[in-house]
Amino acid sequence: GAVVSQHPSWVICKSGTSVKIECRSLDFQATTMFWYRQFPKQSLMLMATSNEGSKATYEQGVEKDKFLINHASLTLSTLTVTSAHPEDSSFYICSARDFSRRGGSYNEQFFGPGTRLTVL
Amino acid sequence: RKEVEQDPGPFNVPEGATVAFNCTYSNSASQSFFWYRQDCRKEPKLLMSVYSSGNEDGRFTAQLNRASQYISLLIRDSKLSDSATYLCVVTRDDKIIFGKGTRLHILP
Repeated sequence: GAVVSQHPSWVICKSGTSVKIECRSLDFQATTMFWYRQFPKQSLMLMATSNEGSKATYEQGVEKDKFLINHASLTLSTLTVTSAHPEDSSFYICSARDFSRRGGSYNEQFFGPGTRLTVL
Repeated sequence: RKEVEQDPGPFNVPEGATVAFNCTYSNSASQSFFWYRQDCRKEPKLLMSVYSSGNEDGRFTAQLNRASQYISLLIRDSKLSDSATYLCVVTRDDKIIFGKGTRLHILP
């Protein structure tokens, strides 16, 4: 199947610093990528939809100035958590769809391995 | 009410037993349906798509009832390695909505 990578896999930072997370599609082009956040024992919550070459679409309640998304190429989207605080500590997961796959798996999401962010 | 609801769990089931997961969705415009599996501190992985005609993959059987807006997953002859959280996932337009997940513990 398609592969999506994320970097870093985990990060610990001080409160007030900014953290950048990269999401890459390794063997396909992804015009659209998705960023999720998952708190312990909670479901994945969609934060934003990242569109290559245009602005991201944020879900209600997600601050676009705090979670900066840049989708500069067909294989890379970045999420920057600006001025991170302890309440931003979470598991951040990106996903992408491979639109070249038609048929039954068309809507399959390929997930990155996730980035665990801990803000002290 | 959440758009996708699942059994709260956790399920603690002896090895070899049959396990059934239930999921309901509230929006009749939902288009595609999936079961994902998520291991602790890992990303979700697609287990199987769900079709109205029902589909089976080895020990796993998924069923969709559009009239009742209900999705099920059956695991037969459960193995220790089946222990995970099972997520019901529904898509509508470009949105992908996850259920909260049901945690399954298979007991030796």
